[in-house]
Amino acid sequence: NAGVTQTPKFQVLKTGQSMTLQCAQDMNHNSMYWYRQDPGMGLRLIYYSASEGTTDKGEVPNGYNVSRLNKREFSLRLESAAPSQTSVYFCASSEVWYYTQYFGPGTRLTVL
Amino acid sequence: GQQVMQIPQYQHVQEGEDFTTYCNSSTTLSNIQWYKQRPGGHPVFLIQLVKSGEVKKQKRLTFQFGEAKKNSSLHITATQTTDVGTYFCAGDAGGTSYGKLTFGQGTILTVHP
Repeated sequence: NAGVTQTPKFQVLKTGQSMTLQCAQDMNHNSMYWYRQDPGMGLRLIYYSASEGTTDKGEVPNGYNVSRLNKREFSLRLESAAPSQTSVYFCASSEVWYYTQYFGPGTRLTVL
Repeated sequence: GQQVMQIPQYQHVQEGEDFTTYCNSSTTLSNIQWYKQRPGGHPVFLIQLVKSGEVKKQKRLTFQFGEAKKNSSLHITATQTTDVGTYFCAGDAGGTSYGKLTFGQGTILTVHP
């Protein structure tokens, strides 16, 4: 039982490049989330998916898109990376949207 | 939008001293959760408080939810070096915001042996 897994662990991009961050959970959870963490800012919700087939914007959605591929997988795409998107990205899942969230190990992204 | 403020931002203590972090929300919360993040790690759930005035204990950790459900605190008695990390509160405003947690900035705890 791996819990929540994220790939890649580290990534360096140049401004304007695109990439997709992958997240998968094996706990049969219905809800999944993407956060970014910046120093002194806590965690800020980018997008979430309350259940398979639905997605909704969080606090800071601009510059990102998401896909809930199936119940297990929730990906985050940066279409045209900007230096302001340098951050640590965490994926999380919960059984339902009002329960405890379980976080993945994070992806450390640097945009030059 | 909803804001969750957490103080202090940093706390340095000697091992054995007590530690408290406070969390205040701009809006009434349906529930509040606390998470701990070790250096270089990911947030790990500690507890969820739902009821007004609720107090829960986990060994040396005591969590409180205010009567108005707008503030919360985490108190650690007799800190140990294993308590090092960042402690986050996260509020859920409920209603149409159900499940959308707003995190405080976190309190970074350093424990000197």
